[in-house]
Amino acid sequence: DTGVSQDPRHKITKRGQNVTFRCDPISEHNRLYWYRQTLGQGPEFLTYFQNEAQLEKSRLLSDRFSAERPKGSFSTLEIQRTEQGDSAMYLCASRPSLNEKLFFGSGTQLSVL
Amino acid sequence: RKEVEQDPGPFNVPEGATVAFNCTYSNSASQSFFWYRQDCRKEPKLLMSVYSSGNEDGRFTAQLNRASQYISLLIRDSKLSDSATYLCVVNRGGTGGFKTIFGAGTRLFVKA
Repeated sequence: DTGVSQDPRHKITKRGQNVTFRCDPISEHNRLYWYRQTLGQGPEFLTYFQNEAQLEKSRLLSDRFSAERPKGSFSTLEIQRTEQGDSAMYLCASRPSLNEKLFFGSGTQLSVL
Repeated sequence: RKEVEQDPGPFNVPEGATVAFNCTYSNSASQSFFWYRQDCRKEPKLLMSVYSSGNEDGRFTAQLNRASQYISLLIRDSKLSDSATYLCVVNRGGTGGFKTIFGAGTRLFVKA
């Protein structure tokens, strides 16, 4: 499968714990995006990377959130000291530099108890 | 005010009906426009791009009015399989590349 893959598909954690999600984009795509989606809402932009550089970060992203793409390939999104309000679907997407279509992974569903 | 606004619906229509969705965007610097479809508990997938000249893909027609910052999607002869959430999507320049903004989506239920 050469699509965008995300791991894990589901994560249940207790409030206050740290969680980390991984995204593997399509190999030739140098732009990678993270979105968060809650029930009844569209995906909300969190951050994006061009290669290993994090070019923009939403104001929605508190200091508890950090994202990396160390070698310009896979990316990780870490949430520290999780809160119940962090419960959502976290979607990763990628696109090649000159193509505007976004390819999404299946997402990681986070539930904070 | 959200940057991309859509009527959340839901729209409940019988099979064979024609249904239209509207969307407005607030940033006049927006450069390209799309409709994505999202099935329940699935990731969004591109349905079609939207151009000022209008474009058609089978039963689906999309239209863009840049002057009024308005995007539309028309579905003719609705099928049960069209039931989904339709997301209006706008690309605009962000630092170093495109920033893609999604509307909240319009839910469509097509009934037999």
